[in-house]
Amino acid sequence: QQQVKQSPQSLIVQKGGISIINCAYENTAFDYFPWYQQFPGKGPALLIAIRPDVSEKKEGRFTISFNKSAKQFSLHIMDSQPGDSATYFCAARTPTGGGADGLTFGKGTHLIIQP
Amino acid sequence: DTAVSQTPKYLVTQMGNDKSIKCEQNLGHDTMYWYKQDSKKFLKIMFSYNNKELIINETVPNRFSPKSPDKAHLNLHINSLELGDSAVYFCASSQPKSSGNTIYFGEGSWLTVV
Repeated sequence: QQQVKQSPQSLIVQKGGISIINCAYENTAFDYFPWYQQFPGKGPALLIAIRPDVSEKKEGRFTISFNKSAKQFSLHIMDSQPGDSATYFCAARTPTGGGADGLTFGKGTHLIIQP
Repeated sequence: DTAVSQTPKYLVTQMGNDKSIKCEQNLGHDTMYWYKQDSKKFLKIMFSYNNKELIINETVPNRFSPKSPDKAHLNLHINSLELGDSAVYFCASSQPKSSGNTIYFGEGSWLTVV
């Protein structure tokens, strides 16, 4: 059972364009939604995150849009650059109450920005 | 001054062997994790520890045994390695939930079982 569904699996965008990656979740108990960026040979690194009481969060060229009623959230990368080429993961925090909440990840989107 | 460091980075071993991956974090976090990333890049939590205490233990074969000697270390020992264990294993750590709960990942340990 996949609790966080991510699409598309791969995406090619021209330099300067807008990259959009979508995620949908099922568990209404999720309380924190981060996006991670992973370059080849590296570990995932936090890019931007949002809590469900906020509909949008922007940090530089990166924006998360969150729709609580639809249980969907998306990452928008404005003015996409070749250096943004990476694998992007959406995630949702699974509250355990034990002080060690883990993340449930989407399956990832391989983004290529063409120069 | 790597925040989450794990060794070895690459490990090639034969089926049936026992191996360990070590992890250390210098961020002062109380919580540490092991994640597995398969060949399709799917990331899945295996274990989490809070203050040396096991909190999350997902459906992982009992051939995998985490050990946390102190808050800054979480090692992963794997017995009787199988071909299907080939993957990238990421150690991670996080602040308390009240401080944002950002999870910081190490650079991964590439395990290949032949």
